[in-house]
Amino acid sequence: KAGVTQTPRYLIKTRGQQVTLSCSPISGHRSVSWYQQTPGQGLQFLFEYFSETQRNKGNFPGRFSGRQFSNSRSEMNVSTLELGDSALYLCASSLGGTGGADEKLFFGSGTQLSVL
Amino acid sequence: QKEVEQNSGPLSVPEGAIASLNCTYSDRGSQSFFWYRQYSGKSPELIMFIYSNGDKEDGRFTAQLNKASQYVSLLIRDSQPSDSATYLCAVNKGTGFQKLVFGTGTRLLVSP
Repeated sequence: KAGVTQTPRYLIKTRGQQVTLSCSPISGHRSVSWYQQTPGQGLQFLFEYFSETQRNKGNFPGRFSGRQFSNSRSEMNVSTLELGDSALYLCASSLGGTGGADEKLFFGSGTQLSVL
Repeated sequence: QKEVEQNSGPLSVPEGAIASLNCTYSDRGSQSFFWYRQYSGKSPELIMFIYSNGDKEDGRFTAQLNKASQYVSLLIRDSQPSDSATYLCAVNKGTGFQKLVFGTGTRLLVSP
């Protein structure tokens, strides 16, 4: 079974630009979560999508947005990039149910974003 | 107060010893608890999850949960150099929530 796939692996952008990251979940997984990881803050929750609906949202500004398609693939967009947005962006998928194995997250390899 | 707290380490243990990693959480409503391992330059990998008070064993790993004390721990028996990694504690805040809150991780170093 293929794992979680994230593209691209690396991105270099300049301040003010926007970026779109892509995530394909494990087959059969309906929930996709996005996390930002930095050395200082660790893993910070961005949002979670389930069946094309945003179900949970973290404490990030509106510049960070996402969506999920009918095949469960998800994209994350960051507009008006700032230097502080430089981070590893991780996507994780799960079955998305409540309790038990349904909550287990499986992570992709991440997209390393550098903002210059 | 951080929602999930871990000692950043590094925790250094000799090969063959027991490594004990600890985590505390602030939300008493938290229902499920996870331990992830992250090697340098890699993404987190789930190694244990626990929902009920007590111990849960899987091979060399034992997760311990004490909801009254809001405390979760991970024991690694017979530690190997390949166990050297950062261990992340994660807490899901309630049923119906897919919002794992992660600690900043404890770096474990196992010396041969």
